[in-house]
Amino acid sequence: DAGVIQSPRHEVTEMGQEVTLRCKPISGHNSLFWYRQTMMRGLELLIYFNNNVPIDDSGMPEDRFSAKMPNASFSTLKIQPSEPRDSAVYFCASSYIVHTEAFFGQGTRLTVV
Amino acid sequence: QKEVEQNSGPLSVPEGAIASLNCTYSDRGSQSFFWYRQYSGKSPELIMSIYSNGDKEDGRFTAQLNKASQYVSLLIRDSQPSDSATYLCAVHSGGGADGLTFGKGTHLIIQP
Repeated sequence: DAGVIQSPRHEVTEMGQEVTLRCKPISGHNSLFWYRQTMMRGLELLIYFNNNVPIDDSGMPEDRFSAKMPNASFSTLKIQPSEPRDSAVYFCASSYIVHTEAFFGQGTRLTVV
Repeated sequence: QKEVEQNSGPLSVPEGAIASLNCTYSDRGSQSFFWYRQYSGKSPELIMSIYSNGDKEDGRFTAQLNKASQYVSLLIRDSQPSDSATYLCAVHSGGGADGLTFGKGTHLIIQP
């Protein structure tokens, strides 16, 4: 299995632009997580899906952030409009079921200038 | 707010010694516990999972869980320089409505 696949690996964008991050979970996994990592705040859970349904989005910082999972093999995290404080590494992770081991993608390093 | 606490370190351990990493969590109903290793600039990598009280061993790694004390630990025997990394403790609550909550990690340095 190829593992969790994220794209792009790096994204540099200007403030105010829309940013879309993509994730393909491990085949057969039913839970998907989006995290943001910064030096100050560590790994923060933004949202998680179970069977393509958003279960907990309490970590989404504000309305500028949205996430979708249209099918079992694809999810997006969108930031519109982006701001410099959104600069971070964004990770996607998946697990077979919600309380079991989660495996991470390589991450997307986002820089908003 | 469910919290997972770790000492940020750095924790410095001589090569060949035992490294001991600790983690406490606030949600008494937590069911699943994990240790991840993260090298600088890389993604978190799962090392151990533990679901019941006691010890679980896998090679040089031993995870220990004490639910009564809300405490999880990771022991690394025969520490190697390649073990130098940040170790993240992660906890799943039992309710199912919460995702995996991470501590901020302990930075471990193995001195050759």
